[in-house]
Amino acid sequence: EPEVTQTPSHQVTQMGQEVILRCVPISNHLYFYWYRQILGQKVEFLVSFYNNEISEKSEIFDDQFSVERPDGSNFTLKIRSTKLEDSAMYFCASSELAGGSNEQFFGPGTRLTVL
Amino acid sequence: RKEVEQDPGPFNVPEGATVAFNCTYSNSASQSFFWYRQDCRKEPKLLMSVYSSGNEDGRFTAQLNRASQYISLLIRDSKLSDSATYLCAMSAQNYGQNFVFGPGTRLSVLP
Repeated sequence: EPEVTQTPSHQVTQMGQEVILRCVPISNHLYFYWYRQILGQKVEFLVSFYNNEISEKSEIFDDQFSVERPDGSNFTLKIRSTKLEDSAMYFCASSELAGGSNEQFFGPGTRLTVL
Repeated sequence: RKEVEQDPGPFNVPEGATVAFNCTYSNSASQSFFWYRQDCRKEPKLLMSVYSSGNEDGRFTAQLNRASQYISLLIRDSKLSDSATYLCAMSAQNYGQNFVFGPGTRLSVLP
């Protein structure tokens, strides 16, 4: 069964450093998403991406964040100048578009710890 | 009023019991509804979509009540492996829109 994959599973970084979280969405999916979940809190939407551009973003997704699809398979989230409050699980998800449902399938997540 | 609300639980039920959760939402433009389960420190896994006419998948039944703006999940003959947090999610458009998640309801099925 196709699945979303994410690397690394755990990233530890110092405050102020930049991190790049990587995702490989399901191959025939066209919509990609990043969500985050702070420990003990709900899953929160960050950004959606379609046709090589951002289609929607939340207020969390400020200038500190950026996304990119550098090639035909990877989808990345870059966090510049990380802050302590960026510590969270970051989930990538993907969904089909036309002809399918918008059921979103999640990757296993990257646990980001900012020290 | 919060956009999506769920009773956080925990619901502690014996094996074999039937248990039901509700999820209320405030955005009347919500169109697509889903139930996910999330195990501790894992990703949300899609359990089922929720259709207007209601739908069933084995021991799981999901229903939508648009008039009262809630969805429900019924689990029959609960198993130990059903222990997890159950998240409702919804989007305002049918395709490619972000999901708004509820905070989740924790279920513990006890032997």
